[in-house]
Amino acid sequence: AQSVSQHNHHVILSEAASLELGCNYSYGGTVNLFWYVQYPGQHLQLLLKYFSGDPLVKGIKGFEAEFIKSKFSFNLRKPSVQWSDTAEYFCAVNSGNTPLVFGKGTRLSVIA
Amino acid sequence: DAGITQSPRHKVTETGTPVTLRCHQTENHRYMYWYRQDPEHGLRLIHYSYGVKDTDKGEVSDGYSVSRSKTEDFLLTLESATSSQTSVYFCAIRGPDFNYGYTFGSGTRLTVV
Repeated sequence: AQSVSQHNHHVILSEAASLELGCNYSYGGTVNLFWYVQYPGQHLQLLLKYFSGDPLVKGIKGFEAEFIKSKFSFNLRKPSVQWSDTAEYFCAVNSGNTPLVFGKGTRLSVIA
Repeated sequence: DAGITQSPRHKVTETGTPVTLRCHQTENHRYMYWYRQDPEHGLRLIHYSYGVKDTDKGEVSDGYSVSRSKTEDFLLTLESATSSQTSVYFCAIRGPDFNYGYTFGSGTRLTVV
């Protein structure tokens, strides 16, 4: 069975700091990878996704993620965070038509 | 997001009572999912559907049943609610190909007292 590990439970950053959130998955075959964001009190929204091709994926709001197959990783990055990026971030994986399996999430707090 | 609605948005119910949550989509998508979200576990799959009358269990299906009698509606039933089922329930739909992400509904906050 697939599983997803998000290393950081809670990350606190100052505005303009750089962000990197870790995500590792356990599945040796072909995978589809996703990052979702959940703003306080809202539902999950898709940030970016990877299926094939260029392992560096760019998403909305200046986020990007890099797929490193040899490390089973799909880390999320943003060069300069804003207060409005305060949210919970979820990494997810599936293969083919299987349902998405989510990590437990990383809460990001951005302070002025 | 447009195209998927959940009802009710909030519900308080007593232990032992049956509860049904509704997910309605206007996108005519084949795949629909029910997840529950808990702080210590993140999102976990309860059940999903890959077509009318076609459903399958997820990771945490015990105590839950689902029905999909038409494409647009996916119902989640707690047969006899327990306090451990207090959670936020999200429905999601997926586009026509596996390379679509999921679109989530706004969630139902269920409290079992």
